[in-house]
Amino acid sequence: GQQLNQSPQSMFIQEGEDVSMNCTSSSIFNTWLWYKQDPGEGPVLLIALYKAGELTSNGRLTAQFGITRKDSFLNISASIPSDVGIYFCAGHTRGATNKLIFGTGTLLAVQP
Amino acid sequence: EAGVAQSPRYKIIEKRQSVAFWCNPISGHATLYWYQQILGQGPKLLIQFQNNGVVDDSQLPKDRFSAERLKGVDSTLKIQPAKLEDSAVYLCASRGQGHIQYFGAGTRLSVL
Repeated sequence: GQQLNQSPQSMFIQEGEDVSMNCTSSSIFNTWLWYKQDPGEGPVLLIALYKAGELTSNGRLTAQFGITRKDSFLNISASIPSDVGIYFCAGHTRGATNKLIFGTGTLLAVQP
Repeated sequence: EAGVAQSPRYKIIEKRQSVAFWCNPISGHATLYWYQQILGQGPKLLIQFQNNGVVDDSQLPKDRFSAERLKGVDSTLKIQPAKLEDSAVYLCASRGQGHIQYFGAGTRLSVL
């Protein structure tokens, strides 16, 4: 099945550093979502984007919906140890079924 | 508000055995999804229900997987017989009126 290309695949950073990850697709999406998944848990929604060009913040997190509707990025500022986890982008396909297509994930490790 | 409940959390079976997973969505959510998440990948949609009807089961391996949502609330996903490649986390998600899907903690299946 189709999956979005997410990069980087993994990141190992020091506490306090900023982080940036992005997601690209060959298809157009009308909604982009960013989820975080902790070990042994299901994905939890971080940010939702609904319009091309939209820039949205949630605390230390900032995400943008690309103008072409085929990409999105997520930034985390001043990382802390609890930011550790796997971050997934997800795009909504057009149409009535409201199907989510997930990215391949970015593993983030933060060293105190 | 209670989240999406799934059980069991873990299941270990031998190949060719059968297994069933249960999901109770967020109260009032009409749409329910089952995803398969293989280690190192993003979740992949298996089946989507709207109330008690199937909206999309195009990615469900119907020769061995089945799912039902008889009363439009709880849902079960069954695998019979299981194969080694079915080892994964099975996530249930539900959605209300908006675009956001809320995920349960998942059931981790190991097929030996």
